[in-house]
Amino acid sequence: GAGVSQSPSNKVTEKGKDVELRCDPISGHTALYWYRQSLGQGLEFLIYFQGNSAPDKSGLPSDRFSAERTGGSVSTLTIQRTQQEDSAVYLCASSLGAGGSTQYFGPGTRLTVL
Amino acid sequence: KQEVTQIPAALSVPEGENLVLNCSFTDSAIYNLQWFRQDPGKGLTSLLLIQSSQREQTSGRLNASLDKSSGRSTLYIAASQPGDSATYLCALGESNTGKLIFGQGTTLQVKP
Repeated sequence: GAGVSQSPSNKVTEKGKDVELRCDPISGHTALYWYRQSLGQGLEFLIYFQGNSAPDKSGLPSDRFSAERTGGSVSTLTIQRTQQEDSAVYLCASSLGAGGSTQYFGPGTRLTVL
Repeated sequence: KQEVTQIPAALSVPEGENLVLNCSFTDSAIYNLQWFRQDPGKGLTSLLLIQSSQREQTSGRLNASLDKSSGRSTLYIAASQPGDSATYLCALGESNTGKLIFGQGTTLQVKP
């Protein structure tokens, strides 16, 4: 079946603008994760959704970052008032369950903040 | 705080060599460990997942081992091929949430 998809693949924005990044997980996967990959920091966990439970937001770097998952499927990561340090590749992953399940990653969205 | 280190940062080998990539971690209380590969400009592809109760996993030419007591995992690649050229990432699952803590990766180049 189809893998994890993300859109857009590339996003260039001006400092101070808001951006929305979308993730479509694999159908039937209950767990969804957002990670960020930047040159200086490597791959960092941002937020995690599992079913209808409250999300684990412990990795979000500031209150400008938020995410939601509608209907237990599609997720949107929103960054408000973007800063240059937000420039990175944002990766989404999904898995059948949490914990011991393999995570399947999407191709990522490359965000550039000018 | 868990720290994950991968050595070496980069590796270049001739085709056909067997090679070992290393991953070390500071806290042995892990849930599982995954090895991924990442091709330039692409997402991550899961290679092997080792649960905390397991010692190793094998898939084709790949073998990953886990020694929690020493805080180490190795990824063994047999008979390397140019198509194996990529960045290899080690990631620890700390709890049953599944969120992963990544190492910085080892960039492998296999020369024909």
